[in-house]
Amino acid sequence: DAMVIQNPRYQVTQFGKPVTLSCSQTLNHNVMYWYQQKSSQAPKLLFHYYDKDFNNEADTPDNFQSRRPNTSFCFLDIRSPGLGDAAMYLCATSRQSGANVLTFGAGSRLTVL
Amino acid sequence: GQNIDQPTEMTATEGAIVQINCTYQTSGFNGLFWYQQHAGEAPTFLSYNVLDGLEEKGRFSSFLSRSKGYSYLLLKELQMKDSASYLCAVKDSNYQLIWGAGTKLIIKP
Repeated sequence: DAMVIQNPRYQVTQFGKPVTLSCSQTLNHNVMYWYQQKSSQAPKLLFHYYDKDFNNEADTPDNFQSRRPNTSFCFLDIRSPGLGDAAMYLCATSRQSGANVLTFGAGSRLTVL
Repeated sequence: GQNIDQPTEMTATEGAIVQINCTYQTSGFNGLFWYQQHAGEAPTFLSYNVLDGLEEKGRFSSFLSRSKGYSYLLLKELQMKDSASYLCAVKDSNYQLIWGAGTKLIIKP
């Protein structure tokens, strides 16, 4: 089945220890998104790519970076995780830009000790 | 600023009907989405409204009034598996998605 796959599902890291989360998609969608979602809060958009065109949200901290080496894969790098970065990280895709229907991966839950 | 308001939590009984409201104030409007999110899982798409009126899809319906900046999601014949958070999201004039914090729906037997 075509889908969006995130790895790992659960990541535990220590304060300041870099983390990389991955996302792959078999939908051949042009747009990929990274969201951060904390408990009982709205998803917060960190980055999105239209094809390889990178878009950084204005309030995304410098501690977060992203890479999209090809259409199928996207990575989220957290250079020095703090306690406030503990959250669910959601990858999503859409066929075109313009915020059409999003297909989400199952998420990666990050715990920072 | 842009804002989406939804009730934080609602409780309903299995087999009953529940209406979850969403009001929005955004810079422009290009459509409204409802997503379902079970605890610890990713959101899944439920419905999309861009014109005024009611969209029905099985047990779920979504209504939109653009003049009032208002939408609701109506769930009929509630089942225990409908216990989840329901997220309202609006596409603004820049085609950016503005998300609400979600309404946690608790279904009781």
